[in-house]
Amino acid sequence: DVKVTQSSRYLVKRTGEKVFLECVQDMDHENMFWYRQDPGLGLRLIYFSYDVKMKEKGDIPEGYSVSREKKERFSLILESASTNQTSMYLCGSLTGGGGTDTQYFGPGTRLTVL
Amino acid sequence: DAKTTQPPSMDCAEGRAANLPCNHSTISGNEYVYWYRQIHSQGPQYIIHGLKNNETNEMASLIITEDRKSSTLILPHATLRDTAVYYCIVRVALYSGGGADGLTFGKGTHLIIQP
Repeated sequence: DVKVTQSSRYLVKRTGEKVFLECVQDMDHENMFWYRQDPGLGLRLIYFSYDVKMKEKGDIPEGYSVSREKKERFSLILESASTNQTSMYLCGSLTGGGGTDTQYFGPGTRLTVL
Repeated sequence: DAKTTQPPSMDCAEGRAANLPCNHSTISGNEYVYWYRQIHSQGPQYIIHGLKNNETNEMASLIITEDRKSSTLILPHATLRDTAVYYCIVRVALYSGGGADGLTFGKGTHLIIQP
């Protein structure tokens, strides 16, 4: 089974702090992603990575950056956390073939910015 | 514009079949229909996908209308553990030229299984 792990389930940070959220997948997938999930808004894509050192902005990249130095690891960085970045953050990896693909998600990190 | 339309919530009695509808009237010929679900406090989980034929796996069945403008996810014998938000997504697979901008999840249907 594919396993996606996230560095923390719950995190509390203060406004202005630099925050790192890490995501690791164990299935050698090339593609990884980060979403945030807020009540009433569904899942919104923040960043996507096609391969090591490759990244593509999603729907809401403002205020975030990412790092993919190794294939299995995709980090989301909040350079200066703000209260409007309080949210559930979901990461994962994607693989496919034959015309379709499948996304595998981690358990999520609930971040609170005070 | 949303590519799919789902009812915000549905109830179903335990042991009965749960039928979750999804409208995707603007679907293109090379777009697949995917279903995921998210149980409370967990990440989304893949359920099933299809192009134009009906599909079945150990979790569910997917019925796609002949014109492909709508589909129904069927959980044949719903249990309390099937209470979750169910997402219907329509897109071109990444490996078939679909972009990351297709990786959009809407608000889904909150399915509540009643004992």
